[in-house]
Amino acid sequence: DARVTQTPRHKVTEMGQEVTMRCQPILGHNTVFWYRQTMMQGLELLAYFRNRAPLDDSGMPKDRFSAEMPDATLATLKIQPSEPRDSAVYFCASGLVPGNSGSPDTQYFGPGTRLTVL
Amino acid sequence: AQSVAQPEDQVNVAEGNPLTVKCTYSVSGNPYLFWYVQYPNRGLQFLLKYITGDNLVKGSYGFEAEFNKSQTSFHLKKPSALVSDSALYFCAVRPRSGGYNKLIFGAGTRLAVHP
Repeated sequence: DARVTQTPRHKVTEMGQEVTMRCQPILGHNTVFWYRQTMMQGLELLAYFRNRAPLDDSGMPKDRFSAEMPDATLATLKIQPSEPRDSAVYFCASGLVPGNSGSPDTQYFGPGTRLTVL
Repeated sequence: AQSVAQPEDQVNVAEGNPLTVKCTYSVSGNPYLFWYVQYPNRGLQFLLKYITGDNLVKGSYGFEAEFNKSQTSFHLKKPSALVSDSALYFCAVRPRSGGYNKLIFGAGTRLAVHP
C-alpha cells in the first residue's frame, strides 16, 4: 500500500529556530506539492514540483521558506527563521502526470507535520 | 478570479439518512473536479473525481457526486450516511487549460452524522 510519508509528525520549536520538514513521495510519482493548513486560511498551496523542478512557489514567503527536491524520493520544506505565525499543519502530496498529457493526476496526501512555533 | 465555494460550514445528518455536501465553482472552461475527505489528525484522502462523461461519478466509501454544468456545481452525495462518515470534506477544481496541475480547494464542510 503505497503512501506519502512525512517526518516529523509533530514539531515544537521556539521562534527563530530553523525547521526542516521532509516528505517521501510515492515511488514513481513525478509531482510533489506542499500545502499549509490553518483554521483561518484553510489549505494553501506553498510549492509545486514536477520531475523535481520547482514550477510554482508563489504561495511561499520567499524570505524565510525554501523548498527543494534533492532527489526523486525526498522533498524538503525549510523555514528559517521560524515565527509563531508559521504554526500550522504542513502537508505534502504527490501525484503522477503521464508525459505531456493534460490529464489530471490525483494528489495523494501525506499525514502532515503539525508545527508549533512558540 | 477562480474560486470554489462550499456554502455550508457544517452539515448535520442522522445516520441512515441521505446526505449532500454542496460545492459550486467559478472557473473558466470545464475544469476537472475532485472531492477529498479529511479525518481528524489525518491527511486528505481522495474520494472521487470528474474528468468527462457521465455526470454522476461514483467514488470510495459509497459516495458519489453529480456534475451540473449549467449550475457549475459538483455536489457530493451518499444515499445512507454512517457515523463513520463524520469528517471534513473538501471540494477542489483544476482548470483544464494552462498546463499546470494546481488544485483550487474550497474551505471545507464539516459533516456530522448523528446516531
